[in-house]
Amino acid sequence: EVQLVESGGVVVQPGGSLRLSCAASGFTFDDYAMHWVRQAPGKGLEWVSLISWDGGSTYYADSVKGRFTISRDNSKNSLYLQMNSLRAEDTALYYCAKGGAAAGISGPWGQGTLVTVSS
Amino acid sequence: DIQMTQSPSSLSASVGDRVTITCRASQGISNYLAWFQQKPGKAPKSLIYAASSLQSGVPSKFSGSGSGTDFTLTISSLQPEDFATYYCQQYNSYPLTFGPGTKVDIK
Repeated sequence: EVQLVESGGVVVQPGGSLRLSCAASGFTFDDYAMHWVRQAPGKGLEWVSLISWDGGSTYYADSVKGRFTISRDNSKNSLYLQMNSLRAEDTALYYCAKGGAAAGISGPWGQGTLVTVSS
Repeated sequence: DIQMTQSPSSLSASVGDRVTITCRASQGISNYLAWFQQKPGKAPKSLIYAASSLQSGVPSKFSGSGSGTDFTLTISSLQPEDFATYYCQQYNSYPLTFGPGTKVDIK
């Protein structure tokens, strides 16, 4: 069974840093690109970042560019999101999702990890 | 950036109804369009990719169509488990963008 499990979400102060992790199982992790998508409380989905299968290409939403860094460790079947200079508007449930054809998301999605930026 | 709009923003329907949701891109995206379903308190589920191809395991009551700027998601016969919020997403160019969602609830 394909499974994605996010972790690392906590309450952090504005300006702080955090690293999210996503542990993948049930598929050949290094065959697929991976995404981070977030959802602020009561709001819609916002794409955050994409990393290619080998980590050689990365893409970001304008709202996080320069502050967030996506990475992966294929030897550990793990995806990461390093989040720096956090703002209140980064408060959201962060999902990782398995990539599909082109730059799409095939799923499945993880259950999400909650990041709260508050003083 | 490519802006995605959806209509309606919400709709009320009955079990057995045929439901159509429209998604429009601010510029042409070929067929690089996906649809997702999200139920309250749950992670999204991928339904359709490439505008009209069903993800593995998705029932055939879901169908998608369109190309360029205008797309539709149709549920042929609405069932209780289909009441949810539906999002479209373009993956033609970066940054990838989602539509605002269409909430489908029970009439």
